[in-house]
Amino acid sequence: GQSLEQPSEVTAVEGAIVQINCTYQTSGFYGLSWYQQHDGGAPTFLSYNALDGLEETGRFSSFLSRSDSYGYLLLQELQMKDSASYFCALSTSGTYKYIFGTGTRLKVLA
Amino acid sequence: KAGVTQTPRYLIKTRGQQVTLSCSPISGHRSVSWYQQTPGQGLQFLFEYFSETQRNKGNFPGRFSGRQFSNSRSEMNVSTLELGDSALYLCASSPLGGGNTEAFFGQGTRLTVV
Repeated sequence: GQSLEQPSEVTAVEGAIVQINCTYQTSGFYGLSWYQQHDGGAPTFLSYNALDGLEETGRFSSFLSRSDSYGYLLLQELQMKDSASYFCALSTSGTYKYIFGTGTRLKVLA
Repeated sequence: KAGVTQTPRYLIKTRGQQVTLSCSPISGHRSVSWYQQTPGQGLQFLFEYFSETQRNKGNFPGRFSGRQFSNSRSEMNVSTLELGDSALYLCASSPLGGGNTEAFFGQGTRLTVV
């Protein structure tokens, strides 16, 4: 089957850099996506890695290594508003569904 | 343009009842997916519809069903509700579906079964 594992919680201070890891088990997938969800809110798309390597979008970067079955989301210059849950997700080839990771709750401290 | 709209936002039902949730996708999006979110299980895929056809289904009992209309609006139905069905139900739309496209989520329907 397919599964994605993430740390359950990460804590960092304002202005710092934090990395949220995602390890997965699957065979054949399009790419790895990342979503952010604030308490009581809808998940919102952050980034997508179709190929190995680093994708940068402003303060957020995401990385994928298919050979290591591993990816991460890097958040720089942390702000209080970044306190939220972060999910990695992938869709296996030939399907039309996302498999979501277990989610990481990020707490940003002043 | 308007985002994904889910109604109702909150719902309280009694065990054994049935419930219907609605999702209106972003205009022009033909794929609608449904997810169940609980603290213990995270986001679990229920099913995906495209042009009124179910293309994939998750590992949920037959009490969970859905459909999509010609205008891409979708409904999901849960019959014979159980306490364990209490969850946030999210729908997501995208132009064509598939994991290589961004999914746009609605605010969800918070279902409480008592």
